[in-house]
Amino acid sequence: DIQMTQSPSSVSASVGDRVTITCRASQGISSWLAWYQQKPGKAPKLLIYAASSLQSGVPSRFSGSGSGTDFTLTISSLQPEDFATYYCQQANSPIFTFGPGTKVDIK
Amino acid sequence: QLQLQESGPGLVKPSETLSLTCTVSGGSISSSSYYWGWIRQPPGKGLEWIGSIYYSGSTYYNPSLKSRVTISVDTSKNQFSLKLSSVTAADTAVYYCARLMVDDWNQQTYYYGMDVWGQGTTVTVSS
Repeated sequence: DIQMTQSPSSVSASVGDRVTITCRASQGISSWLAWYQQKPGKAPKLLIYAASSLQSGVPSRFSGSGSGTDFTLTISSLQPEDFATYYCQQANSPIFTFGPGTKVDIK
Repeated sequence: QLQLQESGPGLVKPSETLSLTCTVSGGSISSSSYYWGWIRQPPGKGLEWIGSIYYSGSTYYNPSLKSRVTISVDTSKNQFSLKLSSVTAADTAVYYCARLMVDDWNQQTYYYGMDVWGQGTTVTVSS
């Protein structure tokens, strides 16, 4: 099974900050990685798929990069509505795994 | 606009079978561009993929749950369902259904992300 790790597990940031979250796969997954945002009590929301493709309707301040085993989600200028938990998910095979999540909270 | 809605008992006794249904509205479950999946989230914890199904009935399961999970599809009702047997307190979670974007080219299937989610339903395992 492909295992996913994320770092950091939590980050405190201010509005306007640039925030970077890293996701690592236990083996190469090409570019088959998705990123999700989840707010408390809500279902996850797809932000990025295929490592760097922005899902329709998602603000352009979100971007993804990487391939192989190392991936990054970047929020270029953090907005109040971006405080949430972010998960990566590998989609290299039809057996999916999520990362443990990164919580972005207010500094 | 496509919507997904989970339904089923909110309380299940230990050792019994958890049964949930996801109803798809605003679109067809028989689209070739999508799989349909179940994901769960224990209280205060992260997301766990349970399994996915294609409208043809082809399924994939999380290896850690495979012996207890059955996912099925009813295209006539535009629904897909989850059964999880021999439940314990560890199966207490919010259960989500979701649509998974896929693409077929070069004789291979490529999986993107889960772009539409249900609101989730809380299932508690307790006597």
